[in-house]
Amino acid sequence: SQKIEQNSEALNIQEGKTATLTCNYTNYSPAYLQWYRQDPGRGPVFLLLIRENEKEKRKERLKVTFDTTLKQSLFHITASQPADSATYLCALGSYSSASKIIFGSGTRLSIRP
Amino acid sequence: SQTIHQWPATLVQPVGSPLSLECTVEGTSNPNLYWYRQAAGRGLQLLFYSVGIGQISSEVPQNLSASRPQDRQFILSSKKLLLSDSGFYLCAWSALRGSKRNTEAFFGQGTRLTVV
Repeated sequence: SQKIEQNSEALNIQEGKTATLTCNYTNYSPAYLQWYRQDPGRGPVFLLLIRENEKEKRKERLKVTFDTTLKQSLFHITASQPADSATYLCALGSYSSASKIIFGSGTRLSIRP
Repeated sequence: SQTIHQWPATLVQPVGSPLSLECTVEGTSNPNLYWYRQAAGRGLQLLFYSVGIGQISSEVPQNLSASRPQDRQFILSSKKLLLSDSGFYLCAWSALRGSKRNTEAFFGQGTRLTVV
């Protein structure tokens, strides 16, 4: 069956360091991969989308990589700040069912001052 | 601009009672619509999605059903709630551009459902 795994439930790092979150998938051929941020009690907010033919995407302090051979995406936040503390979710959509978006379990990131 | 409305924000219902959660989208036409459920501290579980009026795809066999009576309206229902139906329910929409290129999902504020 299709599976999306975010390998850390929680990640704690010090302010100023780079946070790296991992998203792995199996039994899936994604056309695109997305990353979202979710704050407690709120709906997720979209951050970045990367397509299967793209290796890397950047937006300000955020960087996403996509390796379809390893079936993995890495999400980096550079120069992390306490305000970056939140849960981060990856999501996939496929060519066979482009409208269907499935999410991973999320990683709770805490940035300590 | 596009907006999504989801209500109510919180709901406490007894076991065995019916449920109706409504979601509407403004400012776009023919959106893809989604219902997700999130258990405490967990990821989003896709329950239903719809690519058009009356077209519903069910992802998880369960006590819930969905309907799309109008282009920008998506309703989640249950005839008899179970304790296990408690959770945070999120409605979302996205736009499919061309046959294969989906945009990101935009979420409502969610409904916290507690079944007692």
